[in-house]
Amino acid sequence: GQQVMQIPQYQHVQEGEDFTTYCNSSTTLSNIQWYKQRPGGHPVFLIQLVKSGEVKKQKRLTFQFGEAKKNSSLHITATQTTDVGTYFCAGRERAQKLVFGQGTRLTINP
Amino acid sequence: SAVISQKPSRDICQRGTSLTIQCQVDSQVTMMFWYRQQPGQSLTLIATANQGSEATYESGFVIDKFPISRPNLTFSTLTVSNMSPEDSSIYLCSVGMASGGWETQYFGPGTRLLVL
Repeated sequence: GQQVMQIPQYQHVQEGEDFTTYCNSSTTLSNIQWYKQRPGGHPVFLIQLVKSGEVKKQKRLTFQFGEAKKNSSLHITATQTTDVGTYFCAGRERAQKLVFGQGTRLTINP
Repeated sequence: SAVISQKPSRDICQRGTSLTIQCQVDSQVTMMFWYRQQPGQSLTLIATANQGSEATYESGFVIDKFPISRPNLTFSTLTVSNMSPEDSSIYLCSVGMASGGWETQYFGPGTRLLVL
């Protein structure tokens, strides 16, 4: 079945440093979504990517969808303490269910 | 987006008992989902609950253990039956809403369950 792998599992950075998490699927995806879960909170939808090679930005966050639609990345520039949390990618193959990656837990040293 | 509430927010239960978790949405939605999340882990889909049809369960989850009701377009319940300590987890409901031709999900705050 469809699998979505996410690396790294954990990342600790100094405030101000950049951060990147990567997502890889075993199959071609119709779309990929990114969610953020703050400590003690619930996942919150960030963005959806649909097109091959698509790049979207939200302030300091840059999301990319690979040309083959099998991988994606989230890059945060100049991290702030408010960026702390776990970032999940979630991929969908055709009209099937959303499959979540294992998540990358980001911690930040102020 | 949607505003989703869950009851209870947390509970401590004895093994062998059952707990029903309620999920209320502030708008009518077709697709509702129930997930389980172990601490520090990813989200595992238990079942999809669409109004007017039987819930669809994922591999490893069965109706006898996790019966689901979906009486209308704004409400659903998940029951965790005959609980054991292995059922200790966070249970999240979510709703699917159309965005750019695809469905995105909005999650409730979760129910933190500890089974002793």
